[in-house]
Amino acid sequence: GNSVTQMEGPVTLSEEAFLTINCTYTATGYPSLFWYVQYPGEGLQLLLKATKADDKGSNKGFEATYRKETTSFHLEKGSVQVSDSAVYFCALNHAGNMLTFGGGTRLMVKP
Amino acid sequence: DAGVTQSPTHLIKTRGQQVTLRCSPKSGHDTVSWYQQALGQGPQFIFQYYEEEERQRGNFPDRFSGHQFPNYSSELNVNALLLGDSALYLCASSLVQGETQYFGPGTRLLVL
Repeated sequence: GNSVTQMEGPVTLSEEAFLTINCTYTATGYPSLFWYVQYPGEGLQLLLKATKADDKGSNKGFEATYRKETTSFHLEKGSVQVSDSAVYFCALNHAGNMLTFGGGTRLMVKP
Repeated sequence: DAGVTQSPTHLIKTRGQQVTLRCSPKSGHDTVSWYQQALGQGPQFIFQYYEEEERQRGNFPDRFSGHQFPNYSSELNVNALLLGDSALYLCASSLVQGETQYFGPGTRLLVL
């Protein structure tokens, strides 16, 4: 079946540091890949997505590239801010129905 | 343009009781999915509704049931509540042919 594995957190960084959160997946066929962000006490917000191999999703300074050869979709940001502190979820969607999520990675950014 | 809305925001029930959660999809969306998010974990897919029918179901018991109305809004019902049903319940809406799901703020259920 489909599965998503994320690096365990928490990830603690200083403001303006470079961020990488690793995500790998297992799926049949060609799923679409997503990053969602969850701020404390809130639901999930779509951060970015990629629908085919070598696509790069980007939003608010965050980027992730769909790498089929390594079945990965790592999230990166060049300079994090305190306001980026949240839990980040990698997810895949196969056949337009259910989303399969990773366990989430908590990011804490210190001033 | 209103996004996905859910009600209530919080709910406290006791074991054995029944609960109904409600969701209104984003304007223009016709498909509603429900997820359960236990504390510290990623969301788990419960089921998806389209054209008032259950389209796909995750690994949840029959105590979890749902409904979709002609205006595309949806309800999630959970019978015979267990302590382990305590979680954040998330509703997401999408187009049936689309793959991007947009989430509501969730309903936090506590079962005592």
